[in-house]
Amino acid sequence: GAVVSQHPSRVICKSGTSVKIECRSLDFQATTMFWYRQFPKQSLMLMATSNEGSKATYEQGVEKDKFLINHASLTLSTLTVTSAHPEDSSFYICSALRDFTDTQYFGPGTRLTVL
Amino acid sequence: GDSVTQMEGPVTLSEEAFLTINCTYTATGYPSLFWYVQYPGEGLQLLLKATKADDKGSNKGFEATYRKETTSFHLEKGSVQVSDSAVYFCALRSGSASKIIFGSGTRLSIRP
Repeated sequence: GAVVSQHPSRVICKSGTSVKIECRSLDFQATTMFWYRQFPKQSLMLMATSNEGSKATYEQGVEKDKFLINHASLTLSTLTVTSAHPEDSSFYICSALRDFTDTQYFGPGTRLTVL
Repeated sequence: GDSVTQMEGPVTLSEEAFLTINCTYTATGYPSLFWYVQYPGEGLQLLLKATKADDKGSNKGFEATYRKETTSFHLEKGSVQVSDSAVYFCALRSGSASKIIFGSGTRLSIRP
């Protein structure tokens, strides 16, 4: 079946540093990927839609300069949290929309802790 | 805008009990409706879906019927198992957009 991986699964960083999270579709192509943020015991909030070869579309209230998204190939999207602060600590989840289908596959998530 | 409202948890049941998790939605047009499940330590998995009114989605003993008249998509299972313990999310996708909007999630715990 279709698999989406995320790396790293967990990361702890110091305040002010930048962290990159990768999202890969392992056995299918995905022109479109999505990045979500999940707070403890809460739902997933869509942050941005990532399209291969073009700029990401950010949801209202999401700082595009803080959460940099790059979708350089049909199987890889990256989210970089720049100048991270403790309030950025969260669970980040990506999903990949399999090309020529309407099915999204979710990655296992990355837990970011900013000290 | 579009939204999903689902019953708050946590929900705790005994094994073999009947399960209902309520979900209602507001949307323009005719959305597709989904239930996703998140087992402890794992990513979201699609449990079932329905794409038009009166469709019934089913999987692993769970089922949900797309009710346009009541804008609902309640999740049911006749006899739950301990292994069903997880967080369940109701969700919708409107029209041709691929963006999925999630409800707040319901944590389900099943006692042996």
